[in-house]
Amino acid sequence: DGGITQSPKYLFRKEGQNVTLSCEQNLNHDAMYWYRQDPGQGLRLIYYSQIVNDFQKGDIAEGYSVSREKKESFPLTVTSAQKNPTAFYLCASKPRTSGREDEQFFGPGTRLTVL
Amino acid sequence: GNSVTQMEGPVTLSEEAFLTINCTYTATGYPSLFWYVQYPGEGLQLLLKATKADDKGSNKGFEATYRKETTSFHLEKGSVQVSDSAVYFCALIPWAGGFKTIFGAGTRLFVKA
Repeated sequence: DGGITQSPKYLFRKEGQNVTLSCEQNLNHDAMYWYRQDPGQGLRLIYYSQIVNDFQKGDIAEGYSVSREKKESFPLTVTSAQKNPTAFYLCASKPRTSGREDEQFFGPGTRLTVL
Repeated sequence: GNSVTQMEGPVTLSEEAFLTINCTYTATGYPSLFWYVQYPGEGLQLLLKATKADDKGSNKGFEATYRKETTSFHLEKGSVQVSDSAVYFCALIPWAGGFKTIFGAGTRLFVKA
């Protein structure tokens, strides 16, 4: 089955440690996205990528980093510079970067808790 | 700029009640409009969409009509079930650029048996 996988589902880290969240898609989609969702809140865009080896900052990129070395993979690193990293992180993809009618496909999310 | 405004939740209904979740948008031209649903502990999934003015999107008993004159895309369902309890997000993709989706804040729906 085609889809987006995120791992792990739950992640616990100590304050001051970097952590990398995995996102893989086998949908052959060009565009990939990372969002952060806090309790009772909407989605905030962290980073997005339109093509391999290229990515752009979203609205809240500070304290995060990404890479896009392969079309199917878009890992997110939460660094120690992120002041409040505890949140639910969602990865998404879209078939065509400029597809104005294309919906986004979402992974199941990773819940990160920093102790 | 582009934005989406949804009614604040939570919305609490009894089973078989009629549901309306209001959504209005600000955008130039003719954006594409979407409703996504998020069940507890999961990612979002597309519920329905409309890409032209006066189009009606529908799925699983939900429907929404693209109203250009009122810049609205209200979500409706005639008879809700307990299983419809979730968070609903209205979203748009701007006419001029397709790589970013603008999401509303989400509206939480609770349906009581």
